[in-house]
Amino acid sequence: AQTVTQSQPEMSVQEAETVTLSCTYDTSESDYYLFWYKQPPSRQMILVIRQEAYKQQNATENRFSVNFQKAAKSFSLKISDSQLGDAAMYFCAYAGFGNEKLTFGTGTRLTIIP
Amino acid sequence: GAGVSQSPRYKVAKRGQDVALRCDPISGHVSLFWYQQALGQGPEFLTYFQNEAQLDKSGLPSDRFFAERPEGSVSTLKIQRTQQEDSAVYLCASSLVRQGVTQYFGPGTRLTVL
Repeated sequence: AQTVTQSQPEMSVQEAETVTLSCTYDTSESDYYLFWYKQPPSRQMILVIRQEAYKQQNATENRFSVNFQKAAKSFSLKISDSQLGDAAMYFCAYAGFGNEKLTFGTGTRLTIIP
Repeated sequence: GAGVSQSPRYKVAKRGQDVALRCDPISGHVSLFWYQQALGQGPEFLTYFQNEAQLDKSGLPSDRFFAERPEGSVSTLKIQRTQQEDSAVYLCASSLVRQGVTQYFGPGTRLTVL
């Protein structure tokens, strides 16, 4: 079974600074998808960024980028120029090829310090 | 509305009562998922539908949990004879049926069993 590990229960960053959230996963599959989801206090989960395992290029979405290390099974999220609205729980998630269900990590609570 | 909606948003049940949780997916989304999120944890997969077919129910914790999607749109998650350990947020998500596609989440139903 696939597992996703987020070893940082809480992180904090000064507004306008950069922060990196860590995620590792365990799988025997070669094709899969990785996601970072954001869950603000209102509870609705929102996709931040996704990465296809077959793509070597790291995904980028505006201030959000990932460092995908397939051999190390690592998938970290970098948030640049942190904003107050970035405060939320961040979940790393895995979906195997041909299996759409998501396996989530336990989350990292990100606090932005004004 | 354009997003996934869930009702009720909050439900309090006495132990032993039956509850029904409703999910309205995004129009045109073929895939529908149910997840259970315990306090302080990441969501855990319960079950998955493609149209009206329940393709995976491996995450349902017991036979007290039952889900249906009879017309391939609205889905209902039913929990019979609720127990205190059923207290959690129940999230619904929908997506197009493509590999690794984004799942769009609803706001969730917070179930409290007394």
